[in-house]
Amino acid sequence: AQKVTQAQTEISVVEKEDVTLDCVYETRDTTYYLFWYKQPPSGELVFLIRRNSFDEQNEISGRYSWNFQKSTSSFNFTITASQVVDSAVYFCALGLTDSWGKLQFGAGTQVVVTP
Amino acid sequence: DTGVSQDPRHKITKRGQNVTFRCDPISEHNRLYWYRQTLGQGPEFLTYFQNEAQLEKSRLLSDRFSAERPKGSFSTLEIQRTEQGDSAMYLCASSPGVWDYGYTFGSGTRLTVV
Repeated sequence: AQKVTQAQTEISVVEKEDVTLDCVYETRDTTYYLFWYKQPPSGELVFLIRRNSFDEQNEISGRYSWNFQKSTSSFNFTITASQVVDSAVYFCALGLTDSWGKLQFGAGTQVVVTP
Repeated sequence: DTGVSQDPRHKITKRGQNVTFRCDPISEHNRLYWYRQTLGQGPEFLTYFQNEAQLEKSRLLSDRFSAERPKGSFSTLEIQRTEQGDSAMYLCASSPGVWDYGYTFGSGTRLTVV
């Protein structure tokens, strides 16, 4: 069975600090996809990144970066120089290639950025 | 492209009543998903459509739940004889493909059963 664990329930930082969100996943499949979504207070989940299991290259997009390590089954997310607008709940999700696009989400990490 | 629309945004109903939610996906997206999210948890998969065909249903979707997507356009999710445990945010998402894209989610329908 597959599982996604986001052990950090809430992280509070002061603006301009960096924040790293941990995501650990479990699956026996060798081919899978990993995602990060942002859920701001408005409630709508916003897609941030998709990564397949064959691509362990780290990725940077503006202030966002992702570190994928298959050896530790982790897909961590770092926000550099955080801003108040980054305050949201962030979800990590796992999709198996034979699951029709169905995603298994973690419980989420609430990020609170104060000025 | 107006995104994924869900209606209503909020619904308060008495226990035992039936409710129906509507989702309008992005027009060119042939895949549509329903998820349920309770407070402090991540979304949980309920069901999935490819065009008008419902291809998978979660065991979370009891006999009181039914979903349709007539003509592969909008979708409805109906809950019969609502229970307090049905209180949650019901999220709809659509996608033009399976894994090459991330979903586009709607803003959800928050259901409160009193």
